[in-house]
Amino acid sequence: DAKTTQPNSMESNEEEPVHLPCNHSTISGTDYIHWYRQLPSQGPEYVIHGLTSNVNNRMASLAIAEDRKSSTLILHRATLRDAAVYYCGEGGSDMRFGAGTRLTVKP
Amino acid sequence: NAGVTQTPKFRILKIGQSMTLQCAQDMNHNYMYWYRQDPGMGLKLIYYSVGAGITDKGEVPNGYNVSRSTTEDFPLRLELAAPSQTSVYFCASRVDNEQFFGPGTRLTVL
Repeated sequence: DAKTTQPNSMESNEEEPVHLPCNHSTISGTDYIHWYRQLPSQGPEYVIHGLTSNVNNRMASLAIAEDRKSSTLILHRATLRDAAVYYCGEGGSDMRFGAGTRLTVKP
Repeated sequence: NAGVTQTPKFRILKIGQSMTLQCAQDMNHNYMYWYRQDPGMGLKLIYYSVGAGITDKGEVPNGYNVSRSTTEDFPLRLELAAPSQTSVYFCASRVDNEQFFGPGTRLTVL
């Protein structure tokens, strides 16, 4: 079974960059890496995904290590609305998640 | 589009009772998923489906059953409810590599 690990919590100051790490120790060669976030009492929402190359979208950037055993979600300027639990995961047809990192953003 | 809808929003079951959690999507997505989220914990994959008539077990399938007779619907069945199944259940559909989650069903088994 896939083993995906993340820190339990992280803190950031508003308007500063945030780097959220994830380890994908058993990822297979065809599995995509994906990131979601969850606000209180809501379902998760998509943030970004990638396979091997770094990816950028309007919400965030995703940096993937060359061996794909780790990835980093980058929020370029954290806002108070970015406070959430961030889940990294991996999968092909199945999509599995780590335990999540609770991000606190301080004004 | 309504997106992914789940019913009911809340339910309390007694030990040994059965129920079906309903999930429907109107986006014509082939892939659908069921996850459970225990209090303060992450998401665990229960079952998934890559299309009508096809289902596969996820990480924690014991105690659950699913069916996928149509593209739109993916119900989750609990046959003999146990306290360990107290959780929030999320259904999701997927297109490309983006999942769309429903609002969840909060289930308590007493």
